[in-house]
Amino acid sequence: QVQLVQSGAEVKKPGASVKVSCKASGYTFTSYDINWVRQATGQGLEWMGWMNPNSGNTGYAQKFQGRVTMTRNTSISTAYMELSSLRSEDTAVYYCARRETGYSDNWGQGTLVTVSS
Amino acid sequence: SYVLTQPPSVSVAPGKTARITCGGNNIGSKSVHWYQQKPGQAPVLVIYYDSDRPSGIPERFSGSNSGNTATLTISRVEAGDEADYYCQVWDSSSDHPGVVFGGGTKLTVL
Repeated sequence: QVQLVQSGAEVKKPGASVKVSCKASGYTFTSYDINWVRQATGQGLEWMGWMNPNSGNTGYAQKFQGRVTMTRNTSISTAYMELSSLRSEDTAVYYCARRETGYSDNWGQGTLVTVSS
Repeated sequence: SYVLTQPPSVSVAPGKTARITCGGNNIGSKSVHWYQQKPGQAPVLVIYYDSDRPSGIPERFSGSNSGNTATLTISRVEAGDEADYYCQVWDSSSDHPGVVFGGGTKLTVL
């Protein structure tokens, strides 16, 4: 079955960077794009961008342009999302999700990133 | 950018029908997808392409989309349906195409 397993919780100081991983199994990793979505406590879902694991092409939400980088390692079927210049407002659960045409059909379990001095 | 508007909350008695709306400018021309999210869990896709159900999702979940409103309908509501529900579209109309989520609706089963 399709599984996306994310890395564990992180605590970072303001101004630092965080890199979250998302290991895919149960399907051909390079056949589906990966979306990244975040959710602050008690808030809604916020899309950050997508990455094509085959080509490495990416598309980022305007809000995160210049601060987010999405990459992959196809040899280990793993996608990465790195967010830099962290601030307290970036405290959230970050999800990766397999992207079908227009929607996300399988989600990772989420990674809590806490930004605190 | 494209905006999706959902009611913050909907309440329904067990066994009744819940309808959760998602408003957007000419949303009927887009494909709408719906997710269910229970506390502490990742979202789960319940409806895609307006009205299609993924395998494993009960037939009680259905969707429609026309004009400026898409609707998720849950028939014969059960206590286990209590959750947050989000609508989502792909907005290709702006200079920065991307995924757009509605603000979410908390479904309370009375």
